[in-house]
Amino acid sequence: DIQLTQSPSTLSASVGDRVTITCRASQSVSSYLAWYQQKPGKAPKLLIYKASNLDSGVPSRFSGSGSGTEFTLTISSLQPDDFATYFCQQYNTYPTWTFGQGTKVEI
Amino acid sequence: EVQLVETGGGLIQPGGSLRLSCLASGFTVSGNYMSWVRQAPGKGPEWVSAISSGDNTYYADSVKGRFTISRDKSKNTLYLQMNSLRAEDTAVYYCTKNSRGAFDVWGQGTMVTVSS
Repeated sequence: DIQLTQSPSTLSASVGDRVTITCRASQSVSSYLAWYQQKPGKAPKLLIYKASNLDSGVPSRFSGSGSGTEFTLTISSLQPDDFATYFCQQYNTYPTWTFGQGTKVEI
Repeated sequence: EVQLVETGGGLIQPGGSLRLSCLASGFTVSGNYMSWVRQAPGKGPEWVSAISSGDNTYYADSVKGRFTISRDKSKNTLYLQMNSLRAEDTAVYYCTKNSRGAFDVWGQGTMVTVSS
């Protein structure tokens, strides 16, 4: 089974900061990686698919990069609405999927 | 508007059964790859089961042989029949629509608590 490890687990930041979250896969997932944002009590929301493609309606301050085993999610200028938990997810083993353990972005 | 609404969660004793339903609007469940994803309290999401547009079904090892995914085209509804429930099945269960491999539409979730 492919394991996804996110770092850091928690990230303290301020409005306006540039924030980077890393997701490492235990073996190559090619570019089949997605990123989600989740706020307390809500369902996850898709931000990025296939490593670097922004889902419809997602602000351009979000970007994704990487391939193989190492990926990053970057928020270019953190906004108040961005304080949330972020998960990566691989689908190279489609039709089975694996999620990372999450990174909480807090003030 | 594209929307998914789950129902059927609740408190159930270990070994019991429960059926979750997911009513879709704005698109057809029969024409899309659909999945169930669950999230235990304080944990990351875990994929549980999927059904393809061709009605092929797939399960995580943790639920194989106990859970069954299905859909009713006439009701535009996805189901998850859960049998032999265990404490470790306690989670919020989300119905999701797959697109380009990722989960692009999620329901609000329904809580399943397995406890005596």
